[in-house]
Amino acid sequence: KAGVTQTPRYLIKTRGQQVTLSCSPISGHRSVSWYQQTPGQGLQFLFEYFSETQRNKGNFPGRFSGRQFSNSRSEMNVSTLELGDSALYLCASSYQGTGELFFGEGSRLTVL
Amino acid sequence: DQQVKQNSPSLSVQEGRISILNCDYTNSMFDYFLWYKKYPAEGPTFLISISSIKDKNEDGRFTVFLNKSAKHLSLHIVPSQPGDSAVYFCAASTPGNTPLVFGKGTRLSVIA
Repeated sequence: KAGVTQTPRYLIKTRGQQVTLSCSPISGHRSVSWYQQTPGQGLQFLFEYFSETQRNKGNFPGRFSGRQFSNSRSEMNVSTLELGDSALYLCASSYQGTGELFFGEGSRLTVL
Repeated sequence: DQQVKQNSPSLSVQEGRISILNCDYTNSMFDYFLWYKKYPAEGPTFLISISSIKDKNEDGRFTVFLNKSAKHLSLHIVPSQPGDSAVYFCAASTPGNTPLVFGKGTRLSVIA
């Protein structure tokens, strides 16, 4: 059974640009969550999508957005990038959204 | 306001000895707790969990203890092995479809 796949794995952007990250969950999983990991801050919850609907949202500005498609694949978008957006963005999937999450390897974003 | 706290950023233990990682929480509504392990350049992987109706859960070398009155949980690894060197995250959730709340992590180094 294939795991959670995130693309791209690494990317470099400049301030003011926007970025789109993609996540393919484990087959059969309907919930996709996104987390931001920065040094010393642990994993900060961004949002969760379940059956194409945003079910939970963390405390991030509106520049961070996401969506989920009918095949459960999800994308997150960050507009008007700032230096502080440099982080590892992790996607996780689960069947219902509760309990154990299965994480992808992450997309490492560097903003210059 | 951090609801899940891992107050030790790092821990160093000799191979074969016990590793004890600690986690405190403030939200009394948390009813499910998990530990994740993360190696560099990989996503977090689930290690072990415990429900609030239990005070101990064991899986091989890994045991999680929960003290609800103290709002404290700990992960014991016995015996510690060099391959256990990683960052360990404590996470918790409340009932319903709510996101996992993570601590900032503790970096464990097991020295041969």
